[in-house]
Amino acid sequence: DSGVTQTPKHLITATGQRVTLRCSPRSGDLSVYWYQQSLDQGLQFLIQYYNGEERAKGNILERFSAQQFPDLHSELNLSSLELGDSALYFCASSVGSGGSYYEQYFGPGTRLTVT
Amino acid sequence: GESVGLHLPTLSVQEGDNSIINCAYSNSASDYFIWYKQESGKGPQFIIDIRSNMDKRQGQRVTVLLNKTVKHLSLQIAATQPGDSAVYFCAENMGGSNYKLTFGKGTLLTVNP
Repeated sequence: DSGVTQTPKHLITATGQRVTLRCSPRSGDLSVYWYQQSLDQGLQFLIQYYNGEERAKGNILERFSAQQFPDLHSELNLSSLELGDSALYFCASSVGSGGSYYEQYFGPGTRLTVT
Repeated sequence: GESVGLHLPTLSVQEGDNSIINCAYSNSASDYFIWYKQESGKGPQFIIDIRSNMDKRQGQRVTVLLNKTVKHLSLQIAATQPGDSAVYFCAENMGGSNYKLTFGKGTLLTVNP
């Protein structure tokens, strides 16, 4: 158990809908990272937050957004869902950010199925 | 983009043998590399890392080798056990102060008892 929790574990929704995925980092970790893992694109970095502020952006679509709250949990919002958004979404957390690398601990993931 | 899943490279070994998993990375400016293990139904798990100023690093039963000349990374697992069966990913940080990891395709390791 990495100490990172994600909810829900599974999510099934229809095209055009909006969903929110939730992540609680390990105790003491200030950085949260979101990744998407799909069969055709592999594991891709989406976005990183550090202590409530956005720090780095990867291949995140404009339909997707994220935030990190004062209690350090993070939410990934996916809107106008398309079939191609079906994937595993992982959250990871680390102690720090920027300037040096801190080991990222991954949560168990949320499996999103868009029908 | 690179992919995992149906077209994953696979490596099948006998229990007790040594395993070598290879990875070609894309950016000569990458300064940090990590190997992750992902078991079925779980998130990736950190195994070992190496910085670009090193060419070898050893952990418990694992060794990572870095060849910057040919942009190649390998993970050696000694005395492979059934519990080592998983997908193994290499990841590179393409430099800069924010660590945006780029993951490789992944290799499925199957250990036969």
